[in-house]
Amino acid sequence: SQTIHQWPATLVQPVGSPLSLECTVEGTSNPNLYWYRQAAGRGLQLLFYSVGIGQISSEVPQNLSASRPQDRQFILSSKKLLLSDSGFYLCAWSQSLTSGGYNEQFFGPGTRLTVL
Amino acid sequence: AQSVAQPEDQVNVAEGNPLTVKCTYSVSGNPYLFWYVQYPNRGLQFLLKYITGDNLVKGSYGFEAEFNKSQTSFHLKKPSALVSDSALYFCAVSEQTGANNLFFGTGTRLTVIP
Repeated sequence: SQTIHQWPATLVQPVGSPLSLECTVEGTSNPNLYWYRQAAGRGLQLLFYSVGIGQISSEVPQNLSASRPQDRQFILSSKKLLLSDSGFYLCAWSQSLTSGGYNEQFFGPGTRLTVL
Repeated sequence: AQSVAQPEDQVNVAEGNPLTVKCTYSVSGNPYLFWYVQYPNRGLQFLLKYITGDNLVKGSYGFEAEFNKSQTSFHLKKPSALVSDSALYFCAVSEQTGANNLFFGTGTRLTVIP
C-alpha cells in the first residue's frame, strides 16, 4: 500500500531564515505531487504541483520554491522566511491520469510552521 | 474555471440525528467530486468520490454523498451523527479532462453535540 511522509512535523523558525520541508511517497511510481498551505485551519491553497522529476508548476507567486529531485520526493524551500509564511503545510500525491487515476489526492500528516 | 462552494462555515447537529454538509460546484465539463475530512492538526483523509454511474456514493465511516447534476451539488450525508464525526470537511472538484488538480471548498466545521 502507499504511504506518504512529511517532516518535520513542527517547525519554529525566525524571520529571514531558510526553510526546507520534505515529502516522500512510498508504494507507487510516477505520482503527481502537490504542496498546499492551510492558514487558520481552513481553506487549502495550492502552492506547487509536479507531474514528474524536475517538473514544477507554481500556482501562487511568493518567496517559496519547490523541487522534485527524485520520483517520489518533493521538497518545499525558502531562502528567507516571512511572518506570513506561517501555516500548516500539506503534501499530497495522486495517481496520474495516464495511469488510470481519478484525481483523488492522498495527504501527508502535515508540517506546522511558525515563523517568529 | 472550476470552483467549489461550501455555503456553511459551521454545522451543528445533535448526536444520533442525520447530518448534511452542503457543497455546490462549477466546472465546464463533467466533474469528478470528492469529500475529505480533517481532524485537528492532521492531514486530510479521503472519504468518498463520485466519478460516474450511480448518483449516490457511499464512503468511509458511514458517510454518503448524492451527486445532483441539475443542481450542481454534491452534499455529504450521514443518517446518524456521532460525536467522533466532529471535524472539518472539505468538498473538492476536478474536471474529467485536462490538468488533474483538485479545487477545494473553504471547508465546513461540523460539530456533533452529545
